[in-house]
Amino acid sequence: GEDVEQSLFLSVREGDSSVINCTYTDSSSTYLYWYKQEPGAGLQLLTYIFSNMDMKQDQRLTVLLNKKDKHLSLRIADTQTGDSAIYFCAESHRGSSNTGKLIFGQGTTLQVKP
Amino acid sequence: DSGVTQTPKHLITATGQRVTLRCSPRSGDLSVYWYQQSLDQGLQFLIQYYNGEERAKGNILERFSAQQFPDLHSELNLSSLELGDSALYFCASSLGLAGEQFFGPGTRLTVL
Repeated sequence: GEDVEQSLFLSVREGDSSVINCTYTDSSSTYLYWYKQEPGAGLQLLTYIFSNMDMKQDQRLTVLLNKKDKHLSLRIADTQTGDSAIYFCAESHRGSSNTGKLIFGQGTTLQVKP
Repeated sequence: DSGVTQTPKHLITATGQRVTLRCSPRSGDLSVYWYQQSLDQGLQFLIQYYNGEERAKGNILERFSAQQFPDLHSELNLSSLELGDSALYFCASSLGLAGEQFFGPGTRLTVL
């Protein structure tokens, strides 16, 4: 089946690293995504990782993928107050119908304290 | 700015009514997706169109329908509205059948 799970809340101090975790059930997932949603706004694509990769780094963001455990994480280095938002993990797999529909987790609210 | 536009930004209507939400994808993108975000259901995929044809269906109610026009913009029609249809409706687009999806700002629908 298709299911994506995330913890609901994370609080960190400004300057610390944040690690947001996600687990998924569909082993045929081809792409895994991280989106950011600020209050009253749409979803901003932060980064993604292809399922044959273990790690991807993009400036302050590091994505780690453990395929065996179906575990994905997003690390934000030097977290700033502007990083406060809801972070969504999403998976997609083309399947037999070759579609890109995304299955989202519930979202993790990141609170950054000054 | 993702390049995906959605109108209107807000919509307030009554139960039993019908509304149309509009989406224009990023220039060059052929796929349009519709998602519903609500407090109890989270973000749910509704439907995908690719180059004018329906490509995938998710948890979309029979009261809801969508289409993609030759200029690639899409409309989501919601009819016989119920209180539970109140939600944020997002449109996203991608270049091909799959891949990175870029989201619009959403339409907030309130059914009274």
